[in-house]
Order: sequence, then C-alpha cells, then structure tokens
Amino acid sequence: DVKVTQSSRYLVKRTGEKVFLECVQDMDHENMFWYRQDPGLGLRLIYFSYDVKMKEKGDIPEGYSVSREKKERFSLILESASTNQTSMYLCASMVPGGGEKLFFGSGTQLSVL
Amino acid sequence: AQSVTQPDIHITVSEGASLELRCNYSYGATPYLFWYVQSPGQGLQLLLKYFSGDTLVQGIKGFEAEFKRSQSSFNLRKPSVHWSDAAEYFCAVVPSGGYQKVTFGTGTKLQVIP
Repeated sequence: DVKVTQSSRYLVKRTGEKVFLECVQDMDHENMFWYRQDPGLGLRLIYFSYDVKMKEKGDIPEGYSVSREKKERFSLILESASTNQTSMYLCASMVPGGGEKLFFGSGTQLSVL
Repeated sequence: AQSVTQPDIHITVSEGASLELRCNYSYGATPYLFWYVQSPGQGLQLLLKYFSGDTLVQGIKGFEAEFKRSQSSFNLRKPSVHWSDAAEYFCAVVPSGGYQKVTFGTGTKLQVIP
C-alpha cells in the first residue's frame, strides 16, 4: 500500500530554532510537496520538488527551504522558526501521469513558542 | 494570476438534503481538477478528478462534479447528504502540462444537521 511518512506528529520548538521536518515516501514518486494548513486558509504550497535536487517555490516559500538529496525523502527546513510558522504541515507525493493523485502524510502539527 | 476559489467558507445542510459546493478557477488553459475531503482528524482523501472528456464525473461516496468551461467552474454535488459527510472539502487544480504544481482552494466546511 502507498505510504507517505512524516517523522513527527507533534513538534514544539522555540523561536529562532532551526527546525527540520522530514518526509519519506515508498512509492518511487518523482513529485513531492510541502503544504501548510491553517484554518480558513486551506492548504498553501510552500515548496515542491519534481526530481532529486530539483525544487520549485510554491506560493509561500518565505522563511522556508527544502532539501531533496534522495528520491524518497523531502525535507522542509525552517531556518529560524517564528511564531507565525505555527501550523499543520502536510507532505505529499505524486507520480506525474499517474492520475495526478496526491498521497498525503498524516501531518506534523508544529508549535513555535 | 492563476488561482482557485471556493467562495463558501461554511455550509450547513440537513441530512437527506442535496448539496452543492462551488469551485472556480482562473487558469490560462483548462487544468486538471480535483475534489478532496478531509474528515475531522483525518488525512485528505481524493473524491474525484477531471482530466478531459465527459464533463460530469462520478466519485466515491456518491459524489459527482460537473466541469463547466464557460463558467470556469467545477462544482461538487451530492443528491442526499449523510451525517458522515460532515467534513472539510477542498477543490484543487493542476496545470495541464509542465510541472505538476497542485494548488488548493481555501476549503468549505460542511456541517450536517439532523
């Protein structure tokens, strides 16, 4: 069965900390995505990657960076966490031409204090 | 700018009543269109999708959606709502061709009353 795994379900960090959110998929998908979900704002795309070492900015990339050194792993990095980055973070993967269906991880609820 | 809009933030319907959730998009060419559902505390599940062809598409759980090019709309419908349909519904678009950047609307929260 398809699986997208996010390393933490809940995370609490302090302002200014460097934060790593990890996502691993076992489906050999080329495309991977990071979204944040906030009430009333839906899912907003932060970054996506269409191949190893390839990345594209989404709609709200400010304050974030990403890393994709291996096909199965896509990391989201908060260089210096701020309270306005408190949110639910969702990772997803997709195979182009495979129906464009997104497979989501279970999410990481990040609280920045 | 490319965008997808769900104009209704919150909708309340009675169980057994019909439902229509609105979705409008603004893209240069007809994108691929999707509806996802997120039940409380759950992940997102794909309900249905439109790529081309028949403009009325059927999905899971008795949902259907109709693509109307002239209105740039892809509205989700269900003839008779069940209490278990209470959830948040997201419309999503992918540009046809090029990078598969998936953009979501802001969501519509559905409340079902007995």
